[in-house]
Amino acid sequence: DVKVTQSSRYLVKRTGEKVFLECVQDMDHENMFWYRQDPGLGLRLIYFSYDVKMKEKGDIPEGYSVSREKKERFSLILESASTNQTSMYLCASTKRGGVATEAFFGQGTRLTVV
Amino acid sequence: AQKVTQAQTEISVVEKEDVTLDCVYETRDTTYYLFWYKQPPSGELVFLIRRNSFDEQNEISGRYSWNFQKSTSSFNFTITASQVVDSAVYFCALSGDNAGNMLTFGGGTRLMVKP
Repeated sequence: DVKVTQSSRYLVKRTGEKVFLECVQDMDHENMFWYRQDPGLGLRLIYFSYDVKMKEKGDIPEGYSVSREKKERFSLILESASTNQTSMYLCASTKRGGVATEAFFGQGTRLTVV
Repeated sequence: AQKVTQAQTEISVVEKEDVTLDCVYETRDTTYYLFWYKQPPSGELVFLIRRNSFDEQNEISGRYSWNFQKSTSSFNFTITASQVVDSAVYFCALSGDNAGNMLTFGGGTRLMVKP
């Protein structure tokens, strides 16, 4: 059974903390994505990566960074957490291909910044 | 720029009713792909369907059906004889031909099916 696994379902962090959200996929997918989900806004792309050590900004990268040292792992980093980063974070992966392929999602991490 | 609009933020129906979830999209690409995903309370998005822009044939899968109309830029999703297990948030999404598999999502529609 293919899987995208996010390290935590729920996190509570304090303002100013450095926060790491981890995502691992076991499908040997080249592409990995981090989305943020907020009510009424759907999912918005934060960062994505097409390959190891590669990263591209999505629609809302401010306040975030990412790391992809290994193909199966894509980390989202909040350098200094703020209350407006309280949200649900979803990781996804897809196989590289000429057409849009099905994205597989993790179960999400609900982050609360207090 | 691409945009997906799901005008219905929340729908409530009684079990066995039919329900249609609307999706309208905007894109300048001639080749693009449309998706529907289901997000149950567990949180994980589950892929339901993908259509490409050259295939306007409607699709039926059990109680689910999809109506793709390029003329109105719509890709609507109908659940026939709804069940409580259909309660979830449903997302419509769009990917362009050269977008590298990036998905643009609508705001989602929360469907509540009451027994």
